[in-house]
Parts: sequence; C-alpha cells; structure tokens
Amino acid sequence: QKEVEQDPGPLSVPEGAIVSLNCTYSNSAFQYFMWYRQYSRKGPELLMYTYSSGNKEDGRFTAQVDKSSKYISLFIRDSQPSDSATYLCAMSAEGGAQKLVFGQGTRLTINP
Amino acid sequence: NAGVTQTPKFRILKIGQSMTLQCTQDMNHNYMYWYRQDPGMGLKLIYYSVGAGITDKGEVPNGYNVSRSTTEDFPLRLELAAPSQTSVYFCASKNQGNQPQHFGDGTRLSIL
Repeated sequence: QKEVEQDPGPLSVPEGAIVSLNCTYSNSAFQYFMWYRQYSRKGPELLMYTYSSGNKEDGRFTAQVDKSSKYISLFIRDSQPSDSATYLCAMSAEGGAQKLVFGQGTRLTINP
Repeated sequence: NAGVTQTPKFRILKIGQSMTLQCTQDMNHNYMYWYRQDPGMGLKLIYYSVGAGITDKGEVPNGYNVSRSTTEDFPLRLELAAPSQTSVYFCASKNQGNQPQHFGDGTRLSIL
C-alpha cells in the first residue's frame, strides 16, 4: 500500500464548476499537508499549506484536512481554464526537515 | 528574484556516463532537496540537506551522490548513468521552521 494515494484522473470539468480533489494516506504521523499545482514542463508551485486538521481558504481555493479519516481535499470554486494543471498533494510528519511524501498527482482540465 | 535555478534544463546521456545536475538558490534557505518525478507519478525524495556540510538520504538515494559546500548550491551527481535514472529531477529549498518548499523548474534527463 502506498503511503499517499491520489486518483490520477484525468478529470475534465466545464468552466465555472466546483472541483474536488482528494488524497488519502496511511501514516498517522503526518501533520503538515500541502497542495501543489504543476503546469506542464514546470516545477510544482505551492497552493495551500495546512497544519493538522481543519480548513483553510485562499481565494477560490479551500483545503480540508481530516486526520481522523486520513483524508485531505482541495476544492476549487468558479474553476477557470487557467486552473488546468496537475495537482499534487504532499505531506510530512515534521515541519523542520520536511521530507515530503507526494501523491501521484491528478491531471485536471477546465473546458471553456 | 531568481528563486531556485536548475541547470541544465535538458540532457541526454549514454549508459555509464556521469554528470552533475546543478541547483542554486538565492533565498538564503538552509534546507535543500532533490526529487525525481517519473511519468505520471508524484515526486520521490532522493537526498536532502539541512545546511552547508550536512546531507542525508531520502527514499531513493541509490545511484546518486550529493554535496553541500555552500548555502546556495546543492549539486546532484550521477556516477554511472543507468536507463532507470531517466526522469525529471527537481530541486527545492525552504527556510527554517514550518515553511513550505519552493521548487525549481526541473532538469529533464534521458539515459539511452
């Protein structure tokens, strides 16, 4: 069993739709949870960074962490074609050295 | 503001050749990391460094070596290139504390 599971998609939705992306994990020591966006032939770009359980909102993006279920989500509201990218979840047991474990990534396309 | 800079962007190697992937950051970050990303997969940690002169293995270190003689630079060396090392290599850095990692745009390496 992989430490972090993420549905690779691809996921295709119309512009303006609400997008839900999810990851599950098995290591209960994970405390730091991140979502990165990766455009083709570019490096990952940090979108959201949360510690422990709870919600965090930033503009059209909302990250949720449910440690009891070992489940994290990223919601994108009013999706735009520019949101088309691969979304990677990543997590770490510590904030210092922060050895990240990544999900496989979900490829998302927003259709105009 | 350059951030994390990786060179070269692309490289083709023959089996058994050696090369060094360069990574430099101008943010005075203590922590630096090397990841590899295989097609359709998430990133896997190869090596990391918590400061100049200190390096440690990640999840997939075999076939690679690193050094950290300065805060800014963290080169990754392949001594005997093998086809299994064909991948996209990403370097990242972060500041002390619970700060997120910032990534470069990667080096695409093919070994034939």
